Formats: sequence, structure tokens, C-alpha cells
Amino acid sequence: DAKTTQPPSMDCAEGRAANLPCNHSTISGNEYVYWYRQIHSQGPQYIIHGLKNNETNEMASLIITEDRKSSTLILPHATLRDTAVYYCIVRVQGAQKLVFGQGTRLTINP
Amino acid sequence: DAGVIQSPRHEVTEMGQEVTLRCKPISGHDYLFWYRQTMMRGLELLIYFNNNVPIDDSGMPEDRFSAKMPNASFSTLKIQPSEPRDSAVYFCASSLSDRVPQETQYFGPGTRLLVL
Repeated sequence: DAKTTQPPSMDCAEGRAANLPCNHSTISGNEYVYWYRQIHSQGPQYIIHGLKNNETNEMASLIITEDRKSSTLILPHATLRDTAVYYCIVRVQGAQKLVFGQGTRLTINP
Repeated sequence: DAGVIQSPRHEVTEMGQEVTLRCKPISGHDYLFWYRQTMMRGLELLIYFNNNVPIDDSGMPEDRFSAKMPNASFSTLKIQPSEPRDSAVYFCASSLSDRVPQETQYFGPGTRLLVL
């Protein structure tokens, strides 16, 4: 699976959009981009995934660049409950392993 | 659905004792995963099962660790004998299949293990 690079920490004001970047310059054509988050003392939680098109669900939006070498997770109106570690993961469909890096620790400030 | 259920939520034991962690996956899910999380190593996959059969146990640290899945609704992770370096949070996860989008893994709340 391709390696991902994320900033170790970010801050965002409550009510503003939180934009979390992820670099995956060695991603292959058949690898998906997944985002999970882990709120303190809880298990990781799936957020969203995509292959090459931008995706949106009730939690977030995922913007993937045209060359697929990077992506951005957008939380449109961040709340205090969005404070968590966010993991960007790339993997091939059918490959069950989720390889978690260090992620980005996002802090939402009141 | 109640989600993935793990027990116990907390376990404190002494070095050398046997520890058994339990997991009930989401009903109907064909895949079950055991992860371990520590400050030093982060989240790492230990083993996963498909239809109760172990598929990849390359992440199991050593012979002291063993995992079983006797049926579709129950799995155990056993450490015998336990050591202080086994102290970690152990997560169980399950997924419906290996095809997008059903391959999303749903995690349980974890078991926090402390070996003294």
C-alpha cells in the first residue's frame, strides 16, 4: 500500500471549515483513499473514501487532485466533537489490511 | 445493530497470567480484525479472519499470542503468558465483505489491557 504523509497537528475554530491535507504521491491507479478518525479513548471511525472523483457524505467531503497524488478531507462546519486524530489511508480494493500512520491531531477550538 | 462488542473494557493483570479478550462482530459481517494500539507503535493489525478462518496472522507478535474464531459471532484473542510490554488497547473490528463499499471496517470500543 502507498505511504501517506499528513501534518502531525492542526487547529481550527469551531464553526469554520477544517481542511486536512494528505499526500500520497506513490498511489497506484487501483488504490482508494480512505479517511478514518479516532476520538479520544474510542475505536477508529470510518469517515469517507474515494478513488478519483470527489466524494461527499453526511460527515465530510473528500477532494482528490486530478493526478491523485494528494487529497483533502473537509469538515464543513467543525464542532468541538470533531476533535480527534484523523488518519488518511490508501489501499487496494480487496486488500483487507488498514495500515494506520500517525495521522493528524485536529483540535477544534471554541 | 449494537455494533462491535468487546469485553472486558478494562483488564489489569499480573505478568505471567493468561489474558483472554473477547469480541462479537456485527451480525452478518464476514471479516473480523484484531488490532493493537500503543503510543510507540500506533495502531497495528494483528490478525484477521474471513468466514471464521484466519487469513493473515503476520502481525501477531509472537507465540504467546493466539486468536480463534469458533463461530461467526465470537472471537477471542489470548495472551499466555502476559508480559508488561503487552499493555495496550486492543481493538476488534468487522466488515461485511472485501468489495467497495462493503469493506468499511467498524471498530469496537477496545479493551484497555495493563500488565503489571
